[in-house]
Amino acid sequence: DQQVKQNSPSLSVQEGRISILNCDYTNSMFDYFLWYKKYPAEGPTFLISISSIKDKNEDGRFTVFLNKSAKHLSLHIVPSQPGDSAVYFCAASEDSGGSNYKLTFGKGTLLTVNP
Amino acid sequence: EAGVVQSPRYKIIEKKQPVAFWCNPISGHNTLYWYRQNLGQGPELLIRYENEEAVDDSQLPKDRFSAERLKGVDSTLKIQPAELGDSAVYLCASRAGGSYNEQFFGPGTRLTVL
Repeated sequence: DQQVKQNSPSLSVQEGRISILNCDYTNSMFDYFLWYKKYPAEGPTFLISISSIKDKNEDGRFTVFLNKSAKHLSLHIVPSQPGDSAVYFCAASEDSGGSNYKLTFGKGTLLTVNP
Repeated sequence: EAGVVQSPRYKIIEKKQPVAFWCNPISGHNTLYWYRQNLGQGPELLIRYENEEAVDDSQLPKDRFSAERLKGVDSTLKIQPAELGDSAVYLCASRAGGSYNEQFFGPGTRLTVL
């Protein structure tokens, strides 16, 4: 049973437009959410995170929105650039900083930004 | 600051052979993780260390997998004997203590079992 779901295996957008990647979760105990970006032959790289006490976190072109009642979060990239083309993983943790901190990942969404 | 180092990057073995992966975490990171990533899937946790202690190994197939983290720094993950289904990317990650600190991943070892 997947606790973190990314239902779109792939997404294609034009350069300069907005990319929206979605993630749903089922475990109501998750209190910390992260997005990782992964290029081929590299390990995942941390992108942005959000605590369950917030509903929005912004870092430059990247914004993550959290809707706890819907158990849904999304990553917005504006404007999208060809270098953003990668696999994006949504991840969640039940314990943001305590002794039980571990991540549960979704399957990932392949984003392609076309020039 | 050097990142998480893993070796080898690629490994091809015959089934039933043993294989070992090595990880050197970021200096000062007490928490170390081993993940397995199957094709088309996200990383799945195998084992988590706090210093030299394995605090979560519930997902580690203990009949054939073993891990150690001597002196709380480097770690080795071993599979003996390997099976066809073990073909995957094995990722090591480390994290500093404290709240809201993300995990830093190494480049992974791609294992192919023939």
